[in-house]
Amino acid sequence: DIQMTQSPSSLSASVGDRVTITCRASQRISSYLNWYQQKPGKAPKLLIYAASSLQSGVPSRFSGSGSGTDFTLTINSLQPEDFATYYCQQTYSTPRTFGQGTKVEIK
Amino acid sequence: QVQLQESGPGLVKPSETLSLTCTVSGGSINSASYYWSWVRQPPGKGLEWIGYVYYTGSTNYNPSLKSRVTISVDTSKNQFSLKVISVTAADTAVYFCARDSVGSYSWFDPWGQGTLVTVSS
Repeated sequence: DIQMTQSPSSLSASVGDRVTITCRASQRISSYLNWYQQKPGKAPKLLIYAASSLQSGVPSRFSGSGSGTDFTLTINSLQPEDFATYYCQQTYSTPRTFGQGTKVEIK
Repeated sequence: QVQLQESGPGLVKPSETLSLTCTVSGGSINSASYYWSWVRQPPGKGLEWIGYVYYTGSTNYNPSLKSRVTISVDTSKNQFSLKVISVTAADTAVYFCARDSVGSYSWFDPWGQGTLVTVSS
């Protein structure tokens, strides 16, 4: 199985901050990397697919980058509605695997 | 747009079988473009992919659960289902169904709202 490791596990930030979350794969996965946002009691929501493509309807302050083993999700100018947990996911191979999540909290 | 909705018992006894159904609306499950996946999330923990089914009935399971899991599809009802046998407390989780795209790149979208299944006597 491909292991996905996110860092940090949690962070505190203020509205307007720029936030960066990283995801590392245990082997090369090209750009087969997605990012999801999950709020308490809700299903995950797709933000970024294929490492850097913004899902329709997702604000442009979200962006993704990376290829191979190292990936980044960036949120420019954090908004109140962005406080949530973020997961990366690889779809290079099965089993599909997720990172352990990064919780973005209000400072 | 396509919507998914999970249904099934919220409480299952240890050693019994967990059974859930996902109903797809706004689109056909009988499509060569998608896999139909199940994902679970234990309380306070991360996401675990369980497996997927294709409209033909072919399946792919997470090896960690493969011996206890069956995913099937009913194209006439536009539904797919999950069965987990011999459940224990470790199977307590929110279970989500999701559409997984076939092709060069794939992602999960949309997702159902999720349903909590508790394993307890």
